[in-house]
Amino acid sequence: AQSVTQLDSHVSVSEGTPVLLRCNYSSSYSPSLFWYVQHPNKGLQLLLKYTSAATLVKGINGFEAEFKKSETSFHLTKPSAHMSDAAEYFCVVRFIYNFNKFYFGSGTKLNVKP
Amino acid sequence: DTEVTQTPKHLVMGMTNKKSLKCEQHMGHRAMYWYKQKAKKPPELMFVYSYEKLSINESVPSRFSPECPNSSLLNLHLHALQPEDSALYLCASSQDSGGDQETQYFGPGTRLLVL
Repeated sequence: AQSVTQLDSHVSVSEGTPVLLRCNYSSSYSPSLFWYVQHPNKGLQLLLKYTSAATLVKGINGFEAEFKKSETSFHLTKPSAHMSDAAEYFCVVRFIYNFNKFYFGSGTKLNVKP
Repeated sequence: DTEVTQTPKHLVMGMTNKKSLKCEQHMGHRAMYWYKQKAKKPPELMFVYSYEKLSINESVPSRFSPECPNSSLLNLHLHALQPEDSALYLCASSQDSGGDQETQYFGPGTRLLVL
C-alpha cells in the first residue's frame, strides 16, 4: 500500500534555531514529493517539490528538503527559523501510476518561540 | 503566474439554501480538484476533473455537485447541506500532463458555515 507519514504532529523551535520536519513514504513506485505550507485560514502554498531530478531540493523562504530513497524519506529543513514560519506543513506524495491523486500526510504544526 | 482564485471567501448558508462555490485558473491547467478541509486536518479529496470530465469522485454525498464549464472554471454547487459540511473548501489545479513534473497549485479557499 502507498502512504505518507509525518512523524511529528507538533514541532516547537526557538526563533533563529534550525527546523526539521519529518516525512516518510511507503511505495514500490517512484514518487513525486511535495511540501506545502498553510498559514491559518489560508490556502496551501507550495514550498518545494522533488520530481526525480536532484535529490536535494531548495524551496522558497530558505527551506530545503532531501530525497533519500534508501530511507524513503523527504524531510524538510531550514537553518534558522523565523516567526513568520509558524504554520501547518503538509508532506504530499504522488505516484506516477496514479497521476491525478495526491496523498497528504497528516500535517505538522510548527510553533516558533521568540 | 501560479494563481488559482476562489469566490466567495466566506459563505454562510442555511440547510435549505442552494449556493455555489467558484474556482478559476488561467495557467492552462487541464486538471482541477475540489478538496474539503476540516480544522486541524489535511485536505480530503472530493472530486477531480481531467480535461473537463469528471475523473474521480471520492464517494461524495449528492448534496455536493461539481461542474466544469470549461478548462479554466470549476464550480461546486451546494444544496441541502448539513452543519457537519462546514469546512474550508479548497480548489486546486495541475497540468495533467501525466509526467513527473505534475504539481498542484491551490486557491485560498472558501470558508463555509452551514447553520
